[in-house]
Amino acid sequence: KQEVTQIPAALSVPEGENLVLNCSFTDSAIYNLQWFRQDPGKGLTSLLLIQSSQREQTSGRLNASLDKSSGRSTLYIAASQPGDSATYLCAVRPWSGNTGKLIFGQGTTLQVKP
Amino acid sequence: EPEVTQTPSHQVTQMGQEVILRCVPISNHLYFYWYRQILGQKVEFLVSFYNNEISEKSEIFDDQFSVERPDGSNFTLKIRSTKLEDSAMYFCASRPQGADGYTFGSGTRLTVV
Repeated sequence: KQEVTQIPAALSVPEGENLVLNCSFTDSAIYNLQWFRQDPGKGLTSLLLIQSSQREQTSGRLNASLDKSSGRSTLYIAASQPGDSATYLCAVRPWSGNTGKLIFGQGTTLQVKP
Repeated sequence: EPEVTQTPSHQVTQMGQEVILRCVPISNHLYFYWYRQILGQKVEFLVSFYNNEISEKSEIFDDQFSVERPDGSNFTLKIRSTKLEDSAMYFCASRPQGADGYTFGSGTRLTVV
């Protein structure tokens, strides 16, 4: 059974720091992996999608990497800003089945202090 | 940018009542989903819907729950006889065919009192 774990659960950094959020999954048979941002009490905003054949994806100050064989993904945020404060969720789409359901980690709650 | 729209944003209901949560997925998407997030917990898969039928459901999705796509644009989740533990944020999501990612709605916060 696929399990997704995110470390750390919470992170507080001063503005301007570069930081890395970690996601691990137990079964390497995945179709893709998606990173989301969730603001308190709000919905999920897709940040980056990495297909199983890809190693990384970049969007602005965000870079996500995928190492399928070791069951890991990282989200790198460069030059963090207070507006980056949110919960970041990692979700994998298992290879098995055709329904495309996602399995989520518990998230990393990021606070960027001015 | 196309959006998934959910209504209402917040619903309060008495225990034992029926609720219907509504979603309008992105028009050219083919796969539709409901997820829920109990406060402080992970986002959990409930059900997937494709070609006008349920394609997969989790163990959470028991006879209390049902989904429907009544008119080709709306996608609804019905919860019969709500319980206190049904209080959660419910998210609708959709995706197109193939390897593209999901688009989630902004959620409906259901409070059962």
